[in-house]
Amino acid sequence: DIVMTQAPLSVSVTPGESASISCRSSKSLLHSNGITYVYWYLQKPGKSPQLLIYRMSNLASGVPDRFSGSGSETDFTLKISRVEAEDVGIYYCGQLLENPRTFGGGTKLELK
Amino acid sequence: EVQLVESGGGLVQPGRSLKLSCVASGFTFSNYGMNWIRQAPGKGLEWVAYISSGSSYIYYAETVKGRFTISRDNAKNTLYLQMTSLRSEDTALYYCASGQGDYWGQGVMVTVSS
Repeated sequence: DIVMTQAPLSVSVTPGESASISCRSSKSLLHSNGITYVYWYLQKPGKSPQLLIYRMSNLASGVPDRFSGSGSETDFTLKISRVEAEDVGIYYCGQLLENPRTFGGGTKLELK
Repeated sequence: EVQLVESGGGLVQPGRSLKLSCVASGFTFSNYGMNWIRQAPGKGLEWVAYISSGSSYIYYAETVKGRFTISRDNAKNTLYLQMTSLRSEDTALYYCASGQGDYWGQGVMVTVSS
């Protein structure tokens, strides 16, 4: 199984500042079709997860452009610029390259 | 408005069975592969099963293989998860979610306890 490892476990950010969350996969997520199958989700307190970024760097519908995704074949970064109160929650990376689909352990974002 | 509404959860004894349903609306359900993903209390996300749009491809997590069965009825816009031989470690909030997670339901709680 592909292991997804996130860091840090938690991050505390001043509103208006930026934040970065890292995710590392145990295997390359780059498919032969050129697509990198890493995804980012946000689970706000008491809510269902929501898709933020798909295929490493594509912004999901309705997601503010303060969010961006980047990376290589095994190392990925979610960047949130100008953090707002509504960004609080747990962020998960996940891979869809192969089954079983796997997720990182999550990174909790809090406001200072 | 896109909606995924799960139902069928509850308290069940170990070894018993339960069937979850997820009714979709607001998007073309038959065009999407679908997943069941669960979250144990206070824990992270665990993928459970996937079914392709036409039911040709089905995959399970090793932890549920042989005990859970995913299925769908595109005419009824409904996804199912038949769970048998339930264990305490199956206790979780079960979400249905579209292929890459564009859409998620609100989740349904399954508690396995004597």
